[in-house]
Amino acid sequence: AQTVTQSQPEMSVQEAETVTLSCTYDTSESDYYLFWYKQPPSRQMILVIRQEAYKQQNATENRFSVNFQKAAKSFSLKISDSQLGDAAMYFCAYRRFQGAQKLVFGQGTRLTINP
Amino acid sequence: DARVTQTPRHKVTEMGQEVTMRCQPILGHNTVFWYRQTMMQGLELLAYFRNRAPLDDSGMPKDRFSAEMPDATLATLKIQPSEPRDSAVYFCASGRAAGTGLYEQYFGPGTRLTVT
Repeated sequence: AQTVTQSQPEMSVQEAETVTLSCTYDTSESDYYLFWYKQPPSRQMILVIRQEAYKQQNATENRFSVNFQKAAKSFSLKISDSQLGDAAMYFCAYRRFQGAQKLVFGQGTRLTINP
Repeated sequence: DARVTQTPRHKVTEMGQEVTMRCQPILGHNTVFWYRQTMMQGLELLAYFRNRAPLDDSGMPKDRFSAEMPDATLATLKIQPSEPRDSAVYFCASGRAAGTGLYEQYFGPGTRLTVT
């Protein structure tokens, strides 16, 4: 079974600074998807970024980028120019490429932005 | 702006009562998921459907939980009888399966259930 681990329960960063959230996963499969979801206090789960394992290029979405290290099974999220609105729980998630389509989530990292 | 809707948003009930949560997936999406979020267990899958047929309900306590899709626009999750340990936020998510698999899952706002 696949597992996802987020080793940082909480992180904080100064507004406008850069922060990196860590995620590692365990799988025996070669093709899969990885995601970062954001959950603000409203509880809404918002997709931040997606990475396909067969793509070597790291995904980027505006101020959000990932560092995908397939051999190390590591998938970190970098948030540049942090804004107050980035404060939320961030979840790393894994999904198989084929077959069972469920998301397997990590335990989450609570990110605080200090003004 | 298409989105997944869930009702009710909040539910407080007494132990032993039946609870029904409803989800309307995004029009055209053929895959529906139910996830549960608790402090202890985090986010975990309860069940999911493809074209209204259940594909995986291994995460769901079978003795008290049931999930159905009466039609393509409605998914339901029922708990009978409810217990305090069922207190959690229940999320519905939908997506469109095509080709090699499902591309994105879009989450609803969740139902916060409290069982006293």
